[in-house]
Amino acid sequence: AAGVIQSPRHLIKEKRETATLKCYPIPRHDTVYWYQQGPGQDPQFLISFYEKMQSDKGSIPDRFSAQQFSDYHSELNMSSLELGDSALYFCASSASTDTQYFGPGTRLTVL
Amino acid sequence: GENVEQHPSTLSVQEGDSAVIKCTYSDSASNYFPWYKQELGKRPQLIIDIRSNVGEKKDQRIAVTLNKTAKHFSLHITETQPEDSAVYFCAARGGGADGLTFGKGTHLIIQP
Repeated sequence: AAGVIQSPRHLIKEKRETATLKCYPIPRHDTVYWYQQGPGQDPQFLISFYEKMQSDKGSIPDRFSAQQFSDYHSELNMSSLELGDSALYFCASSASTDTQYFGPGTRLTVL
Repeated sequence: GENVEQHPSTLSVQEGDSAVIKCTYSDSASNYFPWYKQELGKRPQLIIDIRSNVGEKKDQRIAVTLNKTAKHFSLHITETQPEDSAVYFCAARGGGADGLTFGKGTHLIIQP
């Protein structure tokens, strides 16, 4: 069965640079979620989109923004990167806010 | 917002024995409680979930119980196997919210 796709899988950036992470949900899933997981920590909810509209907001920094496009894929844009932004970023998708299935994640390293 | 407490942080059991992980939540409006298994560097994988209108759910060796009055839910794994070794996270979704609030995780170690 098709799963959530995330790209890139690994990303290395310098401080103050920008990064864009992409997420392609499972086909026919209409809701996308973004989570951030630091080393040894639990996933922290950042933001979600339902039918291309922002539906819930968690602990997303003002330096980050996200959107969902007409084909339901989503992008997380991160600016003015800080060392503390180094983490695994997971995208999850669901059908109408039901069970969330996680993608493989993007490992972001900020140097 | 929702707050989820998870215990224990580390659990070591002999292969073949049972393991129990417990979570409590704070928001009485929460209505959905999934459990995820995560291996190092990998994605969280859903292993079982329960909704607030159900008290217990079982899937082979895995079961989850929910006590809405006490705002408490638990994961039970029977006949543990070496491949059960991983970090397990409980989570809750509050009423009207989309995002999951996770517990801090339990590192389950299966001793051969």
